[in-house]
Amino acid sequence: DAKTTQPNSMESNEEEPVHLPCNHSTISGTDYIHWYRQLPSQGPEYVIHGLTSNVNNRMASLAIAEDRKSSTLILHRATLRDAAVYYCIPSDDKIIFGKGTRLHILP
Amino acid sequence: GAVVSQHPSWVICKSGTSVKIECRSLDFQATTMFWYRQFPKQSLMLMATSNEGSKATYEQGVEKDKFLINHASLTLSTLTVTSAHPEDSSFYICSARDWGTVNTGELFFGEGSRLTVL
Repeated sequence: DAKTTQPNSMESNEEEPVHLPCNHSTISGTDYIHWYRQLPSQGPEYVIHGLTSNVNNRMASLAIAEDRKSSTLILHRATLRDAAVYYCIPSDDKIIFGKGTRLHILP
Repeated sequence: GAVVSQHPSWVICKSGTSVKIECRSLDFQATTMFWYRQFPKQSLMLMATSNEGSKATYEQGVEKDKFLINHASLTLSTLTVTSAHPEDSSFYICSARDWGTVNTGELFFGEGSRLTVL
């Protein structure tokens, strides 16, 4: 499994964009880059995933570096409900969670 | 979106008893389900991969005789914690992938089941 490095925690103001970075320098060629998040006392929730090209969905955008050794999850306009632990997971099958980034949203 | 439901949401049991947790995919079929456990302030740890109609595949360090997994249908997997002890107290979470999607597709997670062993 590819190792990932994410900041332990980040803060952002409500209604501002948030950029969550992730380094995955040992990613293999077949690994997709998955992002999940977990709100307090809940199961994780899928956010987005991609392989090489940048991806957008209703929740977020995923910017993938050209060499695929890093990626950035972008929340375009953070709300209080986006406060969660965000996990970046390179994988081509099983989803193995690292420590993630705890995102705090300030009102 | 697809829904995965777990039951019970929480359970309290006495030491030495066995507890069964159910995981159901409500609106899709899942040939593969995954079981995780999570201790307070820690990340999720993958315990095993549950395969419909065959034996589960356990991650290293997870006792298969302790955590019995049955995946008898395309919509139901069960995890039984046998002879539970206080150290088994944890948040157990299942997930499933729609069998129509590739292995890299989205995983849907249940709400989790909180087990407390007295």
